[in-house]
Amino acid sequence: NAGVTQTPKFRVLKTGQSMTLLCAQDMNHEYMYWYRQDPGMGLRLIHYSVGEGTTAKGEVPDGYNVSRLKKQNFLLGLESAAPSQTSVYFCASSPSTGSGHFGDGTRLSIL
Amino acid sequence: EDKVVQSPLSLVVHEGDTVTLNCSYEVTNFRSLLWYKQEKKAPTFLFMLTSSGIEKKSGRLSSILDKKELFSILNITATQTGDSAVYLCAVRYGGATNKLIFGTGTLLAVQP
Repeated sequence: NAGVTQTPKFRVLKTGQSMTLLCAQDMNHEYMYWYRQDPGMGLRLIHYSVGEGTTAKGEVPDGYNVSRLKKQNFLLGLESAAPSQTSVYFCASSPSTGSGHFGDGTRLSIL
Repeated sequence: EDKVVQSPLSLVVHEGDTVTLNCSYEVTNFRSLLWYKQEKKAPTFLFMLTSSGIEKKSGRLSSILDKKELFSILNITATQTGDSAVYLCAVRYGGATNKLIFGTGTLLAVQP
């Protein structure tokens, strides 16, 4: 029973590099979300998906893209990483009602 | 602008103390309020509140919502060192999107 799994757990990038964070859930949830967590800022919604093949912008979408080709996977892409994107990234999934389930996070540092 | 505000920002207590954490909100299309506990990694779910005045309890933790005054409290009685964590309040809003807006959290430290 893995729940929500995020890979990688840690990553260091140089400014301008690209990368993809993977989120996988095994609970058959329709909704999936990507958040970033910064000191003093709480969790802020980057992008979300209400079902396979759908994506939408959240509160802080600039510099990120997402895809949900399969129901169980939600990918977050950084096309050209910037130091301001240094953060801890959390993926979450939820059913139509009820609480969300979070992954353990990806700590991303951009130099 | 929608917002969720938690207070205090941080709190240090001794084992056995009772603490009250506060969460106020101004959110359009409110659906429910959720509390999470975050230790080192993923936030873990504690409570979801949708109706005013109905207390939710789980062991030493309890929570209640006031939809008229737009706030919720989380109480922890007989605190233990294992209660040390960041406690996050979030409001679910909107229609079919099921989105959450989070407060910045309250850092609770319980000393032996």
